[in-house]
Amino acid sequence: KAGVTQTPRYLIKTRGQQVTLSCSPISGHRSVSWYQQTPGQGLQFLFEYFSETQRNKGNFPGRFSGRQFSNSRSEMNVSTLELGDSALYLCASSSTSGEETQYFGPGTRLLVL
Amino acid sequence: GENVEQHPSTLSVQEGDSAVIKCTYSDSASNYFPWYKQELGKGPQLIIDIRSNVGEKKDQRIAVTLNKTAKHFSLHITETQPEDSAVYFCAASPGYSTLTFGKGTMLLVSP
Repeated sequence: KAGVTQTPRYLIKTRGQQVTLSCSPISGHRSVSWYQQTPGQGLQFLFEYFSETQRNKGNFPGRFSGRQFSNSRSEMNVSTLELGDSALYLCASSSTSGEETQYFGPGTRLLVL
Repeated sequence: GENVEQHPSTLSVQEGDSAVIKCTYSDSASNYFPWYKQELGKGPQLIIDIRSNVGEKKDQRIAVTLNKTAKHFSLHITETQPEDSAVYFCAASPGYSTLTFGKGTMLLVSP
């Protein structure tokens, strides 16, 4: 069974731009969670989607948003990029909402200049 | 909210030695505790997990112990090998797919 896939793997943007990242969960998994990983803050939960609905949200500003499609694929969007948004963005999938076992993708490395 | 402390931040061992990484958590509602291994350039890989109704779980050279009363859990790796070198993260969850991670432990196994 294929794992979680994320595209693109690397991105370079400038301040003020917006970016959209994509995640395809493991086949059959319906829950997708997003995390931000930085050297200073570590791994921090952004939000979780299940059946196209945001179920949980972390403590991030409204510039961070996401959505999920009927095929469980998910996208996250960051608007008005700031230098501090440079990070590895990780997507994780689990079979159902509330199923804690999560499997991570390789991440998208975002650099904001 | 949940807070997870992880120690040590770095750990160097010789091949064949054992390695122990410890985590504490704050939210007594947490009932799921996974451990992830992250290699350079890759996403975290689940290596073992434990639920609050179990005190210990083993998988070959890896074991995890949980003390709910003291709110701490530990990862034990025996007979370490150079390929065990990576960053290890503990996490805690009260459910609903939200993981709170520790800051990570960089494990270096020297041949």
